[in-house]
Amino acid sequence: QVQLVQSGAEVKKPGASVKVSCKASGYTFTSYYMHWVRQAPGQGLEWMGIINTSAGSTSFAQKFQGRVTVTRDTSTNTVYMELSSLRSEDTAVYYCAREIGVRGVRNLFDYWGQGTLVTVSS
Amino acid sequence: EIVLTQSPGTLSLSPGERATLSCRASQSLSSSYLAWYHQKPGQAPRLLIYGASSRATGIPDRFSGSGSGTDFTLTISRLEPEDFAVYYCQQYGSSPPTFGGGTKVEIK
Repeated sequence: QVQLVQSGAEVKKPGASVKVSCKASGYTFTSYYMHWVRQAPGQGLEWMGIINTSAGSTSFAQKFQGRVTVTRDTSTNTVYMELSSLRSEDTAVYYCAREIGVRGVRNLFDYWGQGTLVTVSS
Repeated sequence: EIVLTQSPGTLSLSPGERATLSCRASQSLSSSYLAWYHQKPGQAPRLLIYGASSRATGIPDRFSGSGSGTDFTLTISRLEPEDFAVYYCQQYGSSPPTFGGGTKVEIK
């Protein structure tokens, strides 16, 4: 069965960076794009970006460009999201989410990781 | 980017009642690329409906979606205890994908 297992909670100081991992199993890793979506406490969902797990190419929401890096390791079926220059507003649960993989359909998510809480506090 | 507005913010209903949730888009969605998710406390969202009206795998038929253009509706015909959650709509026809602010369905 498809599983996306994320790394554990992190506490960071303002200005630091955080790197969250998402390990996929139960399907062919490079056949599906992976996205990152975040959710601030008590708030809605915000799309951050996408990685083509086969080619390694990425695209990000304008809000995060220059501050977020997403990479993948095809030997371990793991995607990484690194967010730098953290501020208190980045406190959120960060989710990886698999794109559905239907031809012609983009940006629709069928499986999600369990989420990783990142807390930014001095 | 496309803005999605969900209403109402909170819906207070009893088990067995019918729930009707609304999602309005700031511009017409191509090919009805509108999805619905629900999210229970401490859990990740789960896909319920895509293409405005198609149920995702394993979703019971008490969930139905309708609409086109800019106005979409999620209907839960008879609320079960496990249906009390927050519901989000999402458009995936244009980039960036965006989500509505959510509707909380709570027990009355």
